[in-house]
Amino acid sequence: DGGITQSPKYLFRKEGQNVTLSCEQNLNHDAMYWYRQDPGQGLRLIYYSQIVNDFQKGDIAEGYSVSREKKESFPLTVTSAQKNPTAFYLCASSRGGQGTDTQYFGPGTRLTVL
Amino acid sequence: SQKIEQNSEALNIQEGKTATLTCNYTNYSPAYLQWYRQDPGRGPVFLLLIRENEKEKRKERLKVTFDTTLKQSLFHITASQPADSATYLCALEDTGRRALTFGSGTRLQVQP
Repeated sequence: DGGITQSPKYLFRKEGQNVTLSCEQNLNHDAMYWYRQDPGQGLRLIYYSQIVNDFQKGDIAEGYSVSREKKESFPLTVTSAQKNPTAFYLCASSRGGQGTDTQYFGPGTRLTVL
Repeated sequence: SQKIEQNSEALNIQEGKTATLTCNYTNYSPAYLQWYRQDPGRGPVFLLLIRENEKEKRKERLKVTFDTTLKQSLFHITASQPADSATYLCALEDTGRRALTFGSGTRLQVQP
């Protein structure tokens, strides 16, 4: 069964703690992305990676960090420096990063900071 | 600055009617435009891609148009059904980086 998975589905964190969100894909895609979605808002790009061991900042990278050590994995760490981390986080992958490449999304992780 | 605009107000229509959603963009010169569907609490799902040299693209009850002069795409759902109720997002390739930029989406509500 090919697809993209995210875990956990719900995550609660105390203020001041770092937390890592998992994203795995078995689609053999080169490109992977992290988005943040706030209620009633669109998707905002946090980080993206076109190839293993390389990634770029998106529009709202401050307070977040990523790694891309394996093609199938792109974990996102929400650090304590992120001022308002409560949101719905979506991971996606695509064959490459071209405009013709459609993105496949995971089910999302809802992070709540207590 | 680059901007993608979709009507933030929900669109409410009766079952069986045609729904038309709009995506306007500024300061982009996209070669492609994509539409996605998102259900509450879930990730978006790809629906259609249209190229700049394609004026219209169809898939079952869906139709997308792309007018690069007006800088606008229209997304139509004919014979709409309550199951079509969702948020619909348009997306463009950001020319400065190899990544899509999404509009904020329009929520469609089809009343039975």
